[in-house]
Parts: sequence; C-alpha cells; structure tokens
Amino acid sequence: QSALTQPASVSGSPGQSITISCTGTSSDIGGYNFVSWYQQYPGEAPKLMISDVSNRPSGISNRFSGSKSGNTASLTISGLQAEDEADYYCSSYTSSDTQVFGGGTKLTVL
Amino acid sequence: QVQLVQSGAEVKKPGASVKVSCKASGYTFTNYGISWVRQAPGQGLEWMGWISAYNGNTNYAQKFQGRVTMTTDTSTSTAYMELRSLTSEDTAVYYCARDRSNNDYWGQGTLVTVSS
Repeated sequence: QSALTQPASVSGSPGQSITISCTGTSSDIGGYNFVSWYQQYPGEAPKLMISDVSNRPSGISNRFSGSKSGNTASLTISGLQAEDEADYYCSSYTSSDTQVFGGGTKLTVL
Repeated sequence: QVQLVQSGAEVKKPGASVKVSCKASGYTFTNYGISWVRQAPGQGLEWMGWISAYNGNTNYAQKFQGRVTMTTDTSTSTAYMELRSLTSEDTAVYYCARDRSNNDYWGQGTLVTVSS
C-alpha cells in the first residue's frame, strides 16, 4: 500500500486560509469516507483534527474543516494563526482493511 | 480522562526483538482497538497494524507481516507490540493509539534505537 500524496509544505499569513490536499486512489480515499487528519508538533504525539472526512472532534476549532472529492481529500484551515504551524498528516482506510498515512505537510505561518 | 501510557525507551542490537507496552485507562478497554504507528527520525507516520481489544483479532501492514505481533492483556488493560529481527531502519518512535481509525487518543511514544 503506497502512502497517500501530500504537498511537502504549504505556507500562509496570519488570517489567511490554506488548504492541504491528500491524494490517494479508489482503493482508499475514493472508496471510503474514512479519512482522518492529524496535527503534530515537533516532539509530540499526533492529534486528531478531523475524522470521517469532515467531522470535527470535540474541542477542535471550527477553523479546521475537511472535505473530499473523488480520490482527493482536503484539509482547510481558515483564519490562520501562529499556533497552527505544525505538521499535518492525512490517513485513510483501505480496501486491504488497513490504514495508510500521507507523507505529511509542514505548515508555515509567515 | 483517557490515557495511554507507553513503556520507556529501548536500545537494541541488530537482530534483536523489542516489546513495547501501552497501558490504557479512563475508558472500557475492550470497547476499542489499539493501533500501532511508528515514526522514523525526521520522517512521517507509518501505520503498523491494529488489534481488537475485544477479541484479539489483528490486522498488520503487509510490510510487517511475519515480523510483528500485537497482543493485549485485558486484565491489565495493556496492549503490546513486539517487533523482531530489528535493523537500523527500525529506529523510530513507536506510538499506540486508540481505535482502528480516527485515532482520538495517543500514547506519548516510545523511542526504539537499533544500534550495534
């Protein structure tokens, strides 16, 4: 199972919106609504930000939103803040009854 | 509150095995599975597999088939991940996380260093 494809880096200024894409295949993202997004700060464990494509767990800011079209999922962060600077990973259920992560995207807040 | 507390850092020689534990608290252990995810230094997350805490069913990533064993002890609400035939490429932080997907709680991570 190949890793999902994410851009290595994205950047934005405070207050702006950014979108991180996550591209897979019909055997993972395109076939199921089981896409998650995680935020990770250096030296810390990942944190679930979005579940099942677009659901926000309790306590997650509504500035974070998720969507999916075909084989590509997206994470959008609106009203960018300095604290959003982190690594972001997507994950999807697959037809092999496994999970697969994206390679990760480093978000820089300018 | 839900917590997953992992065992401490390990240093192993090539060819050895390592067994990492993950003790759960704050929820009914058998209601959720435990996933194992690793992260090599400076690299991304890699899914290793999952175990049902309810019946012990497992599902491993093909890459680790035959080299990894995941188990649980429901009497102590603890999950274990054993990785055998270690090489330097297994040097990584190993995480346990609650559930099969949508992993809402994570352990603090266990650094496993493989070095001669």
